[in-house]
Amino acid sequence: NAGVMQNPRHLVRRRGQEARLRCSPMKGHSHVYWYRQLPEEGLKFMVYLQKENIIDESGMPKERFSAEFPKEGPSILRIQQVVRGDSAAYFCASSLLTGLSNEQFFGPGTRLTVL
Amino acid sequence: GQQVMQIPQYQHVQEGEDFTTYCNSSTTLSNIQWYKQRPGGHPVFLIQLVKSGEVKKQKRLTFQFGEAKKNSSLHITATQTTDVGTYFCAGRASGGGYNKLIFGAGTRLAVHP
Repeated sequence: NAGVMQNPRHLVRRRGQEARLRCSPMKGHSHVYWYRQLPEEGLKFMVYLQKENIIDESGMPKERFSAEFPKEGPSILRIQQVVRGDSAAYFCASSLLTGLSNEQFFGPGTRLTVL
Repeated sequence: GQQVMQIPQYQHVQEGEDFTTYCNSSTTLSNIQWYKQRPGGHPVFLIQLVKSGEVKKQKRLTFQFGEAKKNSSLHITATQTTDVGTYFCAGRASGGGYNKLIFGAGTRLAVHP
């Protein structure tokens, strides 16, 4: 049973370009979470999605960032017109259920570097 | 909004010494989870605590959930070099409906042989 998959693992972009980060949850998981982690810092929640729905995007910057989880295919975190401050590790996690008793399984992350 | 604070930020120990990290929430939690992230790796789930005053053990790791369900601790007995990494607590606020996990900033553990 494959775990959470993220690609690319490393992504380099120049300022102003677009970054697309992909996440395939564990098989059978329909809940996906995106987190951002700056170097030597904690995990900051960005967005929570279920299939075709954004449930909570309270941690997502209002501009340039968007996320989707289509009926078919991976979840996508999209960052438009990247700036140097977007450089970070972006982790995706998935869970089987939401509610009181669910653990989140994390992918290996995408390390984004903005030049 | 809900905040989860974790101390200390860093801890350096000699191999064989004990280690404890503490987690405090500004609000009552329905449950708390602990994760470990090795250097360069991704967070890995360790355990979840749900009941007030709950204590769980995993070999040399002891996890506690406070009586008021607002704080938690992770204690490692006789640390080993394999314990190196950052330990995060993550709390879920109590109440109905969806409640996202709020992660603490983590405690980075260094173990010197």
